[in-house]
Order: sequence, then structure tokens, then C-alpha cells
Amino acid sequence: EVQLVESGGGLVQPGGSLRLSCAVSGFSLSMYWISWVRQAPGKGLEWVANIKQDGSEKYYVDSVKGRFTISRDNAKNSLYLEMNSLRAEDTAVYFCARDRGAGSHEYWGQGTLVTVSS
Amino acid sequence: QSVLTQPPSVSAAPGQKVTISCSGSSSNIGNNYVSWYQQLPGTAPKLLIYESNKRPSEIPDRFSGSKSGTSATLGITGLQTGDEADYYCGTWDTSLSAYFFGAGTKVTVL
Repeated sequence: EVQLVESGGGLVQPGGSLRLSCAVSGFSLSMYWISWVRQAPGKGLEWVANIKQDGSEKYYVDSVKGRFTISRDNAKNSLYLEMNSLRAEDTAVYFCARDRGAGSHEYWGQGTLVTVSS
Repeated sequence: QSVLTQPPSVSAAPGQKVTISCSGSSSNIGNNYVSWYQQLPGTAPKLLIYESNKRPSEIPDRFSGSKSGTSATLGITGLQTGDEADYYCGTWDTSLSAYFFGAGTKVTVL
């Protein structure tokens, strides 16, 4: 069974940092692009970043460029999102999702909540 | 303002059909596949349609997708109360090198 489990969310002050993790099982991580997608409370979905199978390509939404870094460790079956200089508008549930290819997100984790507040 | 435009809401009676539009441009829908997602309250999104018109095996054929030019459409026939959810289109934008979701459409079964 394909599973993605996010962790690392919590309450952080503006300007602070947080590292999210996504542990996968039921498939070989090295074969898939993976994305992070977030959803602010009561709002729609926003794609944040994605990373190629070998980590050689990474893309980010403009609002997080220079602040967030996506990475992966295929040997540990894990994906990461390092978030720095956090702002109130980064408050959201963060999902990791396995990409099917051709721009679709096939399997999703349950999400982890990040709250940026003083 | 989102790169992809969806109507905020659509509604119909049980058993009827609804369609949800997703309008973009040549740099996104016009040259890339479109996906559709269903999100029930308090849950993670679920992939309904990929490559503009294909369904994962577990998705019933009441759900269909199509694309023409710079627009895409999700159709739901035989509407059920369990279909009440938010629906999002999504696609890659080649010019912006980023993935975008529409703002979402809330489906209400009257």
C-alpha cells in the first residue's frame, strides 16, 4: 500500500524556521517526482515545490523562492522541506504528494499543520 | 488572481449532471495536461482525472474530463450527496515553471 506521512509541523514565530519531513512506503521513492502542496485555513490548494527523482531538478512557487528548500533522501525513503524566514502567510496544512507524471499528483499524505504566529 | 479560473460554485439535484470549467492560457492548459482533484471536508485531495481525460482505476466513470484549447472541463453525472466537495483543476505552466491549481469549485447537491 502506497503511504506518505508528513511530520514536523507546529507553531513557529515569524522569521523562524521549520523542517518538514515526508516518509514514504509501499513504493520506491527513487522512481518518482514528489511535490509539496499547501492549503491555508479555509483556502484553496497551492503548489509549493517539486523535486525530480534524483534531486537534480527542483522548482518552487515564486512566494517561497529563496526561503524554502526541497530535498530528498531516496535511501531513507524520505522527502524534506526546509522552511526559513517564515511569514504569517505560510500558515497552512502542508501535504506531500507523489507525482504520477505529466503533472498530476496521484497519492497524498494526510498533511501537517504549520502555524506561523507570535 | 489565479492562473487558472474556476467558478466558485455549482449545484444540481441528485441524479443530475454538473460541469466545472477551468480556463487558462497557452502556457499552461494550452500545452500541458490537466488534472482534477476532489477534496472532501477535512481530508487530503484525491486525484480524479489525469492527462486531461483519464481516470485512475478506482474512480467511477461518472467522472469525466476533457480539454479544448486553453480550457478544460470536469463533468460529474448521476450526482450523489457524497459528491459534495471542493474540486480543483491543476496543470503545469511552462512559462512560469510552476504548477498551479485553480481556486476551487464547491459542488452542492440540492
